Amino acid sequence: DGGITQSPKYLFRKEGQNVTLSCEQNLNHDAMYWYRQDPGQGLRLIYYSQIVNDFQKGDIAEGYSVSREKKESFPLTVTSAQKNPTAFYLCASSTGTLQETQYFGPGTRLLVL
Amino acid sequence: SQQGEEDPQALSIQEGENATMNCSYKTSINNLQWYRQNSGRGLVHLILIRSNEREKHSGRLRVTLDTSKKSSSLLITASRAADTASYFCATASGTALIFGKGTTLSVSS
Repeated sequence: DGGITQSPKYLFRKEGQNVTLSCEQNLNHDAMYWYRQDPGQGLRLIYYSQIVNDFQKGDIAEGYSVSREKKESFPLTVTSAQKNPTAFYLCASSTGTLQETQYFGPGTRLLVL
Repeated sequence: SQQGEEDPQALSIQEGENATMNCSYKTSINNLQWYRQNSGRGLVHLILIRSNEREKHSGRLRVTLDTSKKSSSLLITASRAADTASYFCATASGTALIFGKGTTLSVSS
């Protein structure tokens, strides 16, 4: 069953805590992305990676970090520097160029305790 | 950096009716894509139309693109309750896809 998986579905963060959201794909896609979605809003790009061991900041990278050590995996860490982390986080992948069809995971909802 | 803007923000129709959503954008594009999002879920790609295309069909979906007016429309014919979702346009320009805020479609039976 090919696709993108994200875990956990819900994540709770305490003040001052770093949390990591998982994203895995078995579509053999080179490019992967992280988006943030706030209620009633569109998607805003946090980070993207076109190839293993390389990634670029998107529009709202402050307070987030990523790694791309394997083609299949692109974890996102929400650091304590992100003061308003409550949102729905979506991971996506595509074959290569940033402008082609993107395939999305089911999302992780992050809530602050 | 907001590029696409969908109109209307919300749309309520009866089953069997057609639903039309519009997307306007500001700068030149390579392609424009439409996605659907069911409540609390990820986005699903519906259709991609390239800048040199004017119309594209996929099942009950029809997308048009007018590059001179910098606008696109998505038509869903014979709507079903299962079409209830948010619909986003995404414009490909430069190095990324830029998503609009979406149109929320509600189809009642």
